[in-house]
Amino acid sequence: KQEVTQIPAALSVPEGENLVLNCSFTDSAIYNLQWFRQDPGKGLTSLLLIQSSQREQTSGRLNASLDKSSGRSTLYIAASQPGDSATYLCAALAGGGADGLTFGKGTHLIIQP
Amino acid sequence: DGGITQSPKYLFRKEGQNVTLSCEQNLNHDAMYWYRQDPGQGLRLIYYSQIVNDFQKGDIAEGYSVSREKKESFPLTVTSAQKNPTAFYLCASRLEGKGLAGGPGFYNEQFFGPGTRLTVL
Repeated sequence: KQEVTQIPAALSVPEGENLVLNCSFTDSAIYNLQWFRQDPGKGLTSLLLIQSSQREQTSGRLNASLDKSSGRSTLYIAASQPGDSATYLCAALAGGGADGLTFGKGTHLIIQP
Repeated sequence: DGGITQSPKYLFRKEGQNVTLSCEQNLNHDAMYWYRQDPGQGLRLIYYSQIVNDFQKGDIAEGYSVSREKKESFPLTVTSAQKNPTAFYLCASRLEGKGLAGGPGFYNEQFFGPGTRLTVL
């Protein structure tokens, strides 16, 4: 059974720093990996989707990479801002593409002004 | 505006009651999903549906039921058999992808609704 782990569980950094969030998964036979942002009490906002055949995706200050062979993905946030404060979740899609996503527990990020 | 709506935003249930959570999407997506989120845990899959009149159990389906009579709607019923229903419930949908010409298929991203917070009194 697929398991997804996110490290660290929480992170607090000063504004302007570049940072990396880590995600690992136990079964490398994934179809894609998706990164989300969740604000307190809200639903999930999709940030980036990486297909299994891709190595990375970029959107603005965000860059996500995927290494299936090692079972790892990273989310890189450049020039962090207080508005980036949220919980970041990664999720893997496996099981023929029809099943739901398997989620990590998230990284709670605080950007200090 | 296209999107996923969930109602109500907050729901309170008494012991022994069944309650139904609504999920509607106007994105013309094929697949729809229900997840449950508990503090300190990742989201867990309850049920999913790829097409109308068909649905499959996820990892924690016990005590829940669903229907998919219309493409845009996927209501979730929390029955009295669910022993610990207090949680944040999230609905999602996804457009079925098409395979790349000459290459592997790809799978589109899931989009999520705003959630319903259910509390047992």
